[in-house]
Amino acid sequence: QSALTQPASVSGSPGQSITISCTGTSSDVGGYNYVSWYQQHPGKAPKVMIYDVSNRPSGVSNRFSGSKSGNTASLTISGLQAEDEANYYCSSYTSNSTLLFGGGTKLTVL
Amino acid sequence: EVQLVQSGAEVKKPGESLKISCKGSGYSFANYWITWVRQMPGKGLEWMVRIDPSDSYTDYSPSFQGHVTISADKSIGAAYLQWSRLKASDTAIYYCARHTAAAGSIDYWGQGTLVTVSS
Repeated sequence: QSALTQPASVSGSPGQSITISCTGTSSDVGGYNYVSWYQQHPGKAPKVMIYDVSNRPSGVSNRFSGSKSGNTASLTISGLQAEDEANYYCSSYTSNSTLLFGGGTKLTVL
Repeated sequence: EVQLVQSGAEVKKPGESLKISCKGSGYSFANYWITWVRQMPGKGLEWMVRIDPSDSYTDYSPSFQGHVTISADKSIGAAYLQWSRLKASDTAIYYCARHTAAAGSIDYWGQGTLVTVSS
């Protein structure tokens, strides 16, 4: 299985909103509401920002939100802050009972 | 508080065997699948394998099937990932993570275990 497709990089200025897409197929993203998003700062473990498409774990800022339309899931970060600069990955459960990750997106806060 | 605590960094030679661990606490370990994820130096996340600790049922990525073995001991709340013959290309950080109750998504991550394989 190929990785889910994410843009390699996105950027935005403080205070702006950005959206990162995660495109799969009907056998993964489109077929299940099991998409998660992770933030990873250099040298750190990933942190769950969104799970099950749009659920936010306790302690995660409400500036982070998730959605899905068809085979594409999206992570939106509003009110960008310097500390949001990190790598972001999506994942999805698949019809083969496996998990598939996206290739990752580097977010730069200008 | 849910925590996944992984064993420490390892330095091994090619051909050696290795078993790393992931100990869960703060929740009922048997009720949540555990997954292992590889991150090679400077690269992205790759899903490897997962296990249901209640009955040790497993799902493997075709990319890792036959090269690693996952196991779990629900009596002590621990999951393991092992190699019988390491290769230099196994050098990476390995993360364990917990699936949600529905078993589709991940909701908690361990801190990672760095495995270095070098002659």
